Amino acid sequence: AQSVTQLDSQVPVFEEAPVELRCNYSSSVSVYLFWYVQYPNQGLQLLLKYLSGSTLVESINGFEAEFNKSQTSFHLRKPSVHISDTAEYFCAVSTSGTYKYIFGTGTRLKVLA
Amino acid sequence: KAGVTQTPRYLIKTRGQQVTLSCSPISGHRSVSWYQQTPGQGLQFLFEYFSETQRNKGNFPGRFSGRQFSNSRSEMNVSTLELGDSALYLCASSQDRGSSGNTIYFGEGSWLTVV
Repeated sequence: AQSVTQLDSQVPVFEEAPVELRCNYSSSVSVYLFWYVQYPNQGLQLLLKYLSGSTLVESINGFEAEFNKSQTSFHLRKPSVHISDTAEYFCAVSTSGTYKYIFGTGTRLKVLA
Repeated sequence: KAGVTQTPRYLIKTRGQQVTLSCSPISGHRSVSWYQQTPGQGLQFLFEYFSETQRNKGNFPGRFSGRQFSNSRSEMNVSTLELGDSALYLCASSQDRGSSGNTIYFGEGSWLTVV
């Protein structure tokens, strides 16, 4: 069975500072990895994904994540955050043929002025 | 292209009642899945449908059921509502192009409050 762990439930950071949101997964088979963002009173929006190939993936708004198979991690990073990045971020894993995602418990990113 | 549409967005029900939530996927998407989101349990997978067939089901009691229609629209039903069923119910759709890691796209959800 697969599982996802997001160790940090809340991460406060000052505007323009860098941030890393941690995600570790457990799986006995190959996985696909995703980061989603949820703004208040909204559904989840895809931020970026790793399916195969290059282990470093980027989003259009400056976030990046690196798949590390040996450490079973998929940490999300941004070199300089903005107030508008304040939201909850979810890491998720999926495997071929299961037709479902397993989500982490989420990390609330609070960007401070 | 329109996104995933869920109706109703907000509803309040009484314990013991039943509720039906509706989801219209993105045009061309044939897979629809449902998730329950609560502060305590996070996002939990309910079930997934493709071409009117349920392909996977999460660990929820039989009071939770769903179906998919020939136009890929989906409904989920919760019978004999309990206070603990209060949650945000999220629908997601994907194209499902095989085993290549299908990306799912979420609707804004239906907020259910059971009193």
